[in-house]
Amino acid sequence: KAGVTQTPRYLIKTRGQQVTLSCSPISGHRSVSWYQQTPGQGLQFLFEYFSETQRNKGNFPGRFSGRQFSNSRSEMNVSTLELGDSALYLCASSLARVTDTQYFGPGTRLTVL
Amino acid sequence: GDSVTQMEGPVTLSEEAFLTINCTYTATGYPSLFWYVQYPGEGLQLLLKATKADDKGSNKGFEATYRKETTSFHLEKGSVQVSDSAVYFCALSETRANQAGTALIFGKGTTLSVSS
Repeated sequence: KAGVTQTPRYLIKTRGQQVTLSCSPISGHRSVSWYQQTPGQGLQFLFEYFSETQRNKGNFPGRFSGRQFSNSRSEMNVSTLELGDSALYLCASSLARVTDTQYFGPGTRLTVL
Repeated sequence: GDSVTQMEGPVTLSEEAFLTINCTYTATGYPSLFWYVQYPGEGLQLLLKATKADDKGSNKGFEATYRKETTSFHLEKGSVQVSDSAVYFCALSETRANQAGTALIFGKGTTLSVSS
């Protein structure tokens, strides 16, 4: 079974631009979560989508948004990029329940100049 | 809110040494507990998990027991290999009132370096 895939793997943007990252979950998984990983803050939860609805949200500003499509694929968008948005963005998928294991993709490395 | 604290690294060991990485948590509910491993340039891989008190998760020689009385989930391995060199993250699944979804709360990560 194919794992979680994320595209693109690397991105370079400049301050003020916006960016869209994509995540394809494991087949059959209906929940997709997004995490930001930085050296200073570690791994932080952004949001979770289930059946095209945002079910859970972390403590990030409104510049960070996401959506999920009917095939469970998900995108996250960051508008008005700031230098501090440079990070590894990880997507994880799981079946549905609270106790289900989350399986992570390789991540998208975003660099903001 | 819920949180995870794990020992600061880096941890440097010789091959075949015994490994312990401490992890403690605070949670208002009954979370599931996880250990994830991250190899250089890669995403996170699930190493093991435990979903209730006294459960023992194990995989690839690694073990961890869910201790509710001490709110701990320490990772152990009897004999480490060079290939175990990676960053290890302890995490819990946060359960929020009135929300069916889950978020993982991670510790800061512990870097393990094993030399031959």
